[in-house]
Amino acid sequence: AQSVTQPDIHITVSEGASLELRCNYSYGATPYLFWYVQSPGQGLQLLLKYFSGDTLVQGIKGFEAEFKRSQSSFNLRKPSVHWSDAAEYFCAVGAAAGNKLTFGGGTRVLVKP
Amino acid sequence: GAVVSQHPSRVICKSGTSVKIECRSLDFQATTMFWYRQFPKKSLMLMATSNEGSKATYEQGVEKDKFLINHASLTLSTLTVTSAHPEDSSFYICSAGRRLAGADEQFFGPGTRLTVL
Repeated sequence: AQSVTQPDIHITVSEGASLELRCNYSYGATPYLFWYVQSPGQGLQLLLKYFSGDTLVQGIKGFEAEFKRSQSSFNLRKPSVHWSDAAEYFCAVGAAAGNKLTFGGGTRVLVKP
Repeated sequence: GAVVSQHPSRVICKSGTSVKIECRSLDFQATTMFWYRQFPKKSLMLMATSNEGSKATYEQGVEKDKFLINHASLTLSTLTVTSAHPEDSSFYICSAGRRLAGADEQFFGPGTRLTVL
């Protein structure tokens, strides 16, 4: 069975500081990995995805993520956080891009001025 | 392109009534749609997979007689919460799968907040 763990429930970061959100997955085959962002009361917006190839993936809004097969991780990073990045972030894994997804528990990011 | 809409965005109903939520892919045909449920400050849990023209596949623990899913066309799937109770109050999100140039993608709707009084 596939599973996703996001160890950090909350992260508070100062505006302009760097951000890293952790994601560990368990999957029996080559995973399709995703990071989504959700603003309060809103749906999900895809930040980036990894299927194959270069293990460092660039996404929207200045985010990037690195796939590390040996660590079963897909951590999300942003060099300099903006106040508008305050939101809930979800890591997800699936068998394919169009297949059902298993989500992690989410990490809520708070940005201090 | 690749927009998925949900209607209504919010609904409040009395206990015992049924509520229908629509999920539409506006500019593409979706052979597969997914229904997720999100409790407050919690993650998304897959409820069921909906394929056009066939019965939905429900995840373990999801009551198929309570959460009726119909995928009548390639652009519309509906979730009906029957005899709703306060514990059914939640944020329901659908997603639609699209295949383009041999690659699959999935797009999420904005969600529907259901409150059962």
